[in-house]
Amino acid sequence: SQQGEEDPQALSIQEGENATMNCSYKTSINNLQWYRQNSGRGLVHLILIRSNEREKHSGRLRVTLDTSKKSSSLLITASRAADTASYFCATAAGGTSYGKLTFGQGTILTVHP
Amino acid sequence: ETGVTQTPRHLVMGMTNKKSLKCEQHLGHNAMYWYKQSAKKPLELMFVYNFKEQTENNSVPSRFSPECPNSSHLFLHLHTLQPEDSALYLCASSQDWLAGKETQYFGPGTRLLVL
Repeated sequence: SQQGEEDPQALSIQEGENATMNCSYKTSINNLQWYRQNSGRGLVHLILIRSNEREKHSGRLRVTLDTSKKSSSLLITASRAADTASYFCATAAGGTSYGKLTFGQGTILTVHP
Repeated sequence: ETGVTQTPRHLVMGMTNKKSLKCEQHLGHNAMYWYKQSAKKPLELMFVYNFKEQTENNSVPSRFSPECPNSSHLFLHLHTLQPEDSALYLCASSQDWLAGKETQYFGPGTRLLVL
């Protein structure tokens, strides 16, 4: 079954607003990663949070992880038109599954100027 | 520019053709991956290579044949594909997951259309 599932599937906001995307997963993880993809291009890594961490920041990005609820959220503050892209969470199980990421279907974010 | 290049960027092929996708990483990484991204489906892991050895084959049909001659290069050989194989094929690399370096760096992808 699919591991990471993002919510919402699509999000449309105005420049300057905050955008929050959620990810839920089903099995135990070693870490959870967020990636961004501009239309039809490769993915770009944004942030990695390990299972023993609860929150991480990187510039305008804030990621939280709740392992008891098997969920994560990505917050983009003060959004810009250039943030328009698809955002994916990916989970890494660790152990013998090292190196294997399972991706969700993604959230399409549109930021209007 | 992530340090991972893929060629060609676009490919149109008939079902009886044989073609190859190439990926090269300039990051000194030890692991390389092939993913398939189809419309309205999550990114699907196809193959994983670590130090040139295949460590994962995610039940991929034999019409897709990977090759990893060294840690910097990865190929995906294609033959007798089906129209449903049309997708964006993404290559990625990572440094060393056993050392906690799990971040993957992706190439721009090859957009494949099978007629």
